Formats: sequence, C-alpha cells, structure tokens
Amino acid sequence: NAGVTQTPKFQVLKTGQSMTLQCAQDMNHNSMYWYRQDPGMGLRLIYYSASEGTTDKGEVPNGYNVSRLNKREFSLRLESAAPSQTSVYFCASKWKLTNEQFFGPGTRLTVL
Amino acid sequence: AQRVTQPEKLLSVFKGAPVELKCNYSYSGSPELFWYVQYSRQRLQLLLRHISRESIKGFTADLNKGETSFHLKKPFAQEEDSAMYYCALSDNTGNQFYFGTGTSLTVIP
Repeated sequence: NAGVTQTPKFQVLKTGQSMTLQCAQDMNHNSMYWYRQDPGMGLRLIYYSASEGTTDKGEVPNGYNVSRLNKREFSLRLESAAPSQTSVYFCASKWKLTNEQFFGPGTRLTVL
Repeated sequence: AQRVTQPEKLLSVFKGAPVELKCNYSYSGSPELFWYVQYSRQRLQLLLRHISRESIKGFTADLNKGETSFHLKKPFAQEEDSAMYYCALSDNTGNQFYFGTGTSLTVIP
C-alpha cells in the first residue's frame, strides 16, 4: 500500500519547456488535489478533482492544466514553464469519511 | 484574501514548557478546520481536525467561532514535536482547502 506517489522527485526545466507531473493513489479515494508550496506562502491549491472525470480550479490555476486520467491518477501539466513556477508541488487524495488529505512526497521543480 | 493566518513563522520553546501555535481564519459559513504537521524528511500528515475534538500526541485545538481561531496547544512540549505545523480550512463543500503559511516549531532540549 504505497498511498500517494509522485513522479518525478526533482526536475529542472528551462523557461518555455513543458512537462507533466504524475500522481497516483491506491486508497480508492474520489478526491485528488494539486498544491504548490512556496517559502512564506504555505500550500496553495492549484486544481482539484472531486471525482473521476471532473476537475476544478483552486486558488492559483493560471499556467497549469490537469487531467484526471482515472480514479487512481491525477496529472498536472505545465505547458510553457516560467521561473515563477519554481516550487515544490504536492499531490494529495482525500478520504471522504473524515475529509483527511493524504499527501505525496512532493516534486521539487526548478525553472531556469 | 488570506483565509488562514498563522502569525508566527518561527516558534521556539524549551522541553517541558507549554506551547501554543496560533491560527486565525476568515470564512463565512461552517468551515472545517485542521492542523497538519510535517516532520523532517516526512510527508505532510494530519494531526487533528476540529470536528473530532480529540487529542493527538498530547495536542488539542478548540475552534472558537467568536474569535475565528483554532489555536493548537500542548501543555508539555517534547523534542519530537519539532516540526512544521500548518493550519488548514476546508470550505462548506469539502472541496476547496486553504492552508496557512506554517509555523516552524523548535523544542529546545
């Protein structure tokens, strides 16, 4: 039971490059989330998916797209990376019964 | 607008001393409040939720709707409590979550 897994762990991009961050959970949770964590800003919600086939914007969605591929997987795509997107990205899934979120280990992304 | 405010970025206390991490929120309706903790080299994990009204690892937090606060307290701090603590709020739907900026707690031996 791996919980929430994220790939890659680290990534360096050049401005304008694109990439997809992958997230998967094996807890059969309906809801999944993408956050970014920046110094002094805490965690900010980028996008969430309340169930398979649905996605909604969070607090800071600009510059990102998401895909809820199936119940297990929720990916985050940067189409044209910018230095302002340098951050640590966390994926989470939520247990509906308690509203508790389970977090992945994070992806540290640097955009040069 | 900042929905969750944690005024202390850093907090240091001596082992055995009481500790209080402050959290204030701004939200109309009936939000749910949480405390999450991130120990060194570990994932962010739930510490406690206001709805459950339980004590976890000696920590308690009471929701004060009048003062819109959800402060985290522990009467006797332990070294293993050193970590980053985040206060979080979920909206009425349980879908949108807002986190505070976090408080780094250091317990001095």
